[in-house]
Amino acid sequence: QKEVEQNSGPLSVPEGAIASLNCTYSDRVSQSFFWYRQYSGKSPELIMSIYSNGDKEDGRFTAQLNKASQYVSLLIRDSQPSDSATYLCAVNRQGAQKLVFGQGTRLTINP
Amino acid sequence: GAGVSQSPSNKVTEKGKDVELRCDPISGHTALYWYRQSLGQGLEFLIYFQGNSAPDKSGLPSDRFSAERTGGSVSTLTIQRTQQEDSAVYLCASSLGTTVNTEAFFGQGTRLTVV
Repeated sequence: QKEVEQNSGPLSVPEGAIASLNCTYSDRVSQSFFWYRQYSGKSPELIMSIYSNGDKEDGRFTAQLNKASQYVSLLIRDSQPSDSATYLCAVNRQGAQKLVFGQGTRLTINP
Repeated sequence: GAGVSQSPSNKVTEKGKDVELRCDPISGHTALYWYRQSLGQGLEFLIYFQGNSAPDKSGLPSDRFSAERTGGSVSTLTIQRTQQEDSAVYLCASSLGTTVNTEAFFGQGTRLTVV
């Protein structure tokens, strides 16, 4: 079992709709969770971090964490073509600084 | 500097040569990570530094790979006797490295091509 799993996609969403990206992790003691966006040919860019159960909102982005289910998700509201990218989920444990990444989900927003 | 800086941006080398990749982290960031990303693949963890020490080297793929960090700042990743399978983008990231804030920020990467 991979430490961090994501559906590789591609996920295709119409412009203006909500894009939902999901991630599961295997290590129950994971403490910190991150979403990165990576455009083709570019390096990953941090867009959200979440540490506690529940929702965290930042503009059009909402991260959701459920530690009991070992599940973290990212919702993108009012999706724009510029949101088309690969989204990477990353996880680490408190005191263990190795950030483990999922394989990423490729998202395409269709105008 | 304002962000993580990596050099060179691109490196083409002949098989069997040694290469050095440099990473200059965000000022004040004590944690530094090296990852490798092959074309169309995810991020492969290589090594993590906290200050000058490397508590986790578990991702280095072979003894041809080594890394060091001096003065708690700049890090160098060295690949000896390069092979074609070493071709990838090498990414460096840094973070404050505290237990409450582990947000990591990436440099632009070094694209290594072994011919």
